[in-house]
Amino acid sequence: DGGITQSPKYLFRKEGQNVTLSCEQNLNHDAMYWYRQDPGQGLRLIYYSQIVNDFQKGDIAEGYSVSREKKESFPLTVTSAQKNPTAFYLCASSVPYSGNTIYFGEGSWLTVV
Amino acid sequence: LAKTTQPISMDSYEGQEVNITCSHNNIATNDYITWYQQFPSQGPRFIIQGYKTKVTNEVASLFIPADRKSSTLSLPRVSLSDTAVYYCLVGEATGRRALTFGSGTRLQVQP
Repeated sequence: DGGITQSPKYLFRKEGQNVTLSCEQNLNHDAMYWYRQDPGQGLRLIYYSQIVNDFQKGDIAEGYSVSREKKESFPLTVTSAQKNPTAFYLCASSVPYSGNTIYFGEGSWLTVV
Repeated sequence: LAKTTQPISMDSYEGQEVNITCSHNNIATNDYITWYQQFPSQGPRFIIQGYKTKVTNEVASLFIPADRKSSTLSLPRVSLSDTAVYYCLVGEATGRRALTFGSGTRLQVQP
């Protein structure tokens, strides 16, 4: 089935550690996104990539890093510089010239312990 | 980027029609209006999209006035399973611009 796969679903991070959230899509979409959602809040854009080997900062990029070496993959690293990383992370993708139709993965919960 | 404004929350009862309005005063000529639904701990999912006038599908209708500065999502005869957060998103047709979401509208449907 076509879709967006995020892993792991649940992740625990110790203070000072970097962790990487995986996002893979087989929809052949050019654009990919990472959003953060805190409990009871809306989605905030962390990073987005419109094409392989290119990505742009969103509204809350500090403490995060990404790479886009392949069209299918857009991993997000939460670095130790992100002081409050506990949140729900959503990866998404979209097709250019489709309006703003965006497809989401099932999300990953990150908790600092 | 076109900023959107929605009510924070709405309450309804089963079987009623629910209308959620989104304001987007600085919408651009090439922008489309799209609505998404999100359940807890899940990614948002597409409901409906439109450019102008009225669009209807099997789950909702979208009303867009001529000036396109607002839009209204209409959910007919809601059920308990429609309890969710609804987001209005405005973005250009090319998809080349980053897609940012507002805070959404939390709809609570009561029995």
